[in-house]
Amino acid sequence: DAKTTQPTSMDCAEGRAANLPCNHSTISGNEYVYWYRQIHSQGPQYIIHGLKNNETNEMASLIITEDRKSSTLILPHATLRDTAVYYCIVRVAGNTNAGKSTFGDGTTLTVKP
Amino acid sequence: SAVISQKPSRDICQRGTSLTIQCQVDSQVTMMFWYRQQPGQSLTLIATANQGSEATYESGFVIDKFPISRPNLTFSTLTVSNMSPEDSSIYLCSVEAWTGGKAFFGQGTRLTVV
Repeated sequence: DAKTTQPTSMDCAEGRAANLPCNHSTISGNEYVYWYRQIHSQGPQYIIHGLKNNETNEMASLIITEDRKSSTLILPHATLRDTAVYYCIVRVAGNTNAGKSTFGDGTTLTVKP
Repeated sequence: SAVISQKPSRDICQRGTSLTIQCQVDSQVTMMFWYRQQPGQSLTLIATANQGSEATYESGFVIDKFPISRPNLTFSTLTVSNMSPEDSSIYLCSVEAWTGGKAFFGQGTRLTVV
């Protein structure tokens, strides 16, 4: 699985958009970009994933660059409950080792009042 | 989605003893995954548990220390054997959805070894 690089920490004001970047310059053509978050003392929670097109769901939007070497997770209106560690992972979906994810250090997002 | 229940949620154990962690999923899944999260660290995959075959361990993890059972498609156990304080971590069970490659995690078992 491709390696990812994320900033160690970010702050965001409550109600504003939080934009979390991720670099994955060695991503392969069949690897997806997944985002998870881990709120303190809980198991990681799936947020969103995509291959090459931008994606949006009820939680967030995912913007993937045309060359797929980087992506940005957008939380449109951050709340205090969005304070968490956000992990960007790239991996193939549906292969024999499906679910075998390599977690980097992630970005600690702190949403401030 | 998948709902995963882990037991116990936390425990404090004496060094030299063993603890078995249970993971129950509300649907049948082919593979289940066990992760370790040491204090202040990210998640590290311990092993992949397939039903009907032996678990596959990642580098640095061995069956004698972390034996795994997978008796059916909805249940797995991870045992942390002969514990030392270095084993103090959160242990997480995970499964993948049938489509889309999304992973779902249990709430974890917070283990403290004294």
